[in-house]
Amino acid sequence: QVQLVQSGSELKMPGASVKVSCKASGYTFTTYALNWVRQAPGQGLEWMGWINTNTGNPTYAQGFTGRFVFSLDTSVSTAYLQISSLKAEDTAVYYCARITSMLRPKPPDYWGQGTLVTVSS
Amino acid sequence: QSALTQPASVSGSPGQSITISCTGTSSDVGSYNLVSWYQQHPGKAPKLMIYEDNKRPSGVSNRFSGSKSGNTASLTISGLQAEDEADYYCCSYAGSSTVIFGGGTKLTVL
Repeated sequence: QVQLVQSGSELKMPGASVKVSCKASGYTFTTYALNWVRQAPGQGLEWMGWINTNTGNPTYAQGFTGRFVFSLDTSVSTAYLQISSLKAEDTAVYYCARITSMLRPKPPDYWGQGTLVTVSS
Repeated sequence: QSALTQPASVSGSPGQSITISCTGTSSDVGSYNLVSWYQQHPGKAPKLMIYEDNKRPSGVSNRFSGSKSGNTASLTISGLQAEDEADYYCCSYAGSSTVIFGGGTKLTVL
């Protein structure tokens, strides 16, 4: 069965960096793209962008350029989200979610369990 | 790009039917048959309930149905059950390689 398993919760100081992982199983990793989605505490879902797992080409939504980087390690079927220069407002649950397309992003089907990133001094 | 518009909350009694609307524009909801709906229980990841406007994934109850008219998509839940109480989000492809979510709707089963 399709599974996306994300890394555990993180507590970081402002200004630090964090790297969240998303390990896929149950399907061929390089045949489906991935979305990244943010959910701030008590808030709705926000699309951050997507990455083509075949080419490694990332696309970032407005508001997620500069400090946010999507990357892959296809040898271990894993995608990564790295956030640098963390701010308090980056505190959120971050989800990876599979897209049934490589040509364009779409609403996803399967989701990871989410990773809580807390930024606090 | 603004979020798709959903009512903040809806409620219904067990056994009743409710409908949640999701209003976008002719650039997103109205242009593509790519609206999905998600159910999210507290502390859990979203779960796909409807995709491509009105298709139901395997394993999702047929009490859940999706439709669309113009720039507004709708999720209908019939025969409400206590376990349906959750947050519901719509999501659409919005062109130019972007995706947009609705603001979410809290469903209360009275």
